[in-house]
Amino acid sequence: ETGVTQTPRHLVMGMTNKKSLKCEQHLGHNAMYWYKQSAKKPLELMFVYSLEERVENNSVPSRFSPECPNSSHLFLHLHTLQPEDSALYLCASSRIVAGGPNEQFFGPGTRLTVL
Amino acid sequence: DAKTTQPNSMESNEEEPVHLPCNHSTISGTDYIHWYRQLPSQGPEYVIHGLTSNVNNRMASLAIAEDRKSSTLILHRATLRDAAVYYCILLSTNFGNEKLTFGTGTRLTIIP
Repeated sequence: ETGVTQTPRHLVMGMTNKKSLKCEQHLGHNAMYWYKQSAKKPLELMFVYSLEERVENNSVPSRFSPECPNSSHLFLHLHTLQPEDSALYLCASSRIVAGGPNEQFFGPGTRLTVL
Repeated sequence: DAKTTQPNSMESNEEEPVHLPCNHSTISGTDYIHWYRQLPSQGPEYVIHGLTSNVNNRMASLAIAEDRKSSTLILHRATLRDAAVYYCILLSTNFGNEKLTFGTGTRLTIIP
């Protein structure tokens, strides 16, 4: 148990559906992250929120839309996804301090299947 | 981002020490060396990090070469629960640059 929870743990959706992934951290951290892990590929950073502002968007298609309403919650809204978007989506959080290495705590992930 | 190079896979016998190498010849002075591992069906978890000196914690030890161009993660007594993919990552200390860039890592298999 890392203090980062993700729901749902598994999601199957059609290409025309709209769904959302939720991440919650109870660690008092000020930064949150979305990563994507496809089969046989390294984890890819998708989005970074620091102090509730998006500071990184790694050329992610607009069918993925993040939202960070406060420092404890992070959402990933999904719409009109493609089968190649099927992957494990991981949320992480960290406490960013100047000059320090910032250990990231990961949630268990949401296994997404797009039909 | 500075890159790291790790062997794709390693095997070790249970209850023996494991030395996982990582090369990072282009490391800069502000880069910390981080290790994470990912157990099957789980998200990655932090293992250890260091800057210049060797480091020990309850999970592992990190030995850093004097020129910082390589490092070794040491599991002193491997158990079956240590079977995972181990990632060596360089992380800048520059504020606002906290991106973890994962490579393919080393898949560690523990033989009972």
